Amino acid sequence: RKEVEQDPGPFNVPEGATVAFNCTYSNSASQSFFWYRQDCRKEPKLLMSVYSSGNEDGRFTAQLIRASQYISLLIRDSKLSDSATYLCAVSSSGYALNFGKGTSLLVTP
Amino acid sequence: NAGVTQTPKFQVLKTGQSMTLQCAQDMNHEYMSWYRQDPGMGLRLIHYSVGAGITDQGEVPNGYNVSRSTTEDFPLRLLSAAPSQTSVYFCASSDGYNQPQHFGDGTRLSIL
Repeated sequence: RKEVEQDPGPFNVPEGATVAFNCTYSNSASQSFFWYRQDCRKEPKLLMSVYSSGNEDGRFTAQLIRASQYISLLIRDSKLSDSATYLCAVSSSGYALNFGKGTSLLVTP
Repeated sequence: NAGVTQTPKFQVLKTGQSMTLQCAQDMNHEYMSWYRQDPGMGLRLIHYSVGAGITDQGEVPNGYNVSRSTTEDFPLRLLSAAPSQTSVYFCASSDGYNQPQHFGDGTRLSIL
């Protein structure tokens, strides 16, 4: 079983919709959590870190629920430019990351 | 600010050839890592380093060597290329324990 699991999608949503991505991790000792965005044939780029208290950056909200080993990302008011693959990343060692396979999002006009 | 720089961007090798993928960062980051990304597999950790002279294996280290003689550079060596090593390779760095990683723009490698 892969250490970080994500629903692969694809998620096809209209502009303006709210979309939620889920991620689970298997190592309860994991210490840091992130969401990355990856555009086609590009490198992953950090979207936001994830904290137990929940954190928000504009239209993006991330949440960590340690008891369930669950991480979420909510995107409100989706834009065409949000179309990308969203990667959940978890660090158990503190030195490197374990990634989920990514969830593909397509926002349509 | 260059960030993480990977060279070459593209490379085609024949089975059995060796080569080195270069990675350099100018952010004085202690931690550096190499990942490979394959369709349907996601990003997988090959090797990582927590400082000059210190390296360790990740999830898929076989067929690859690394060394870290300086803080800035973390080259990845393929000793005898195999078609299974056809992939996109990403180098990343971070500035501390549990900190997010910042990626180079990748090397696309094809082994024939």
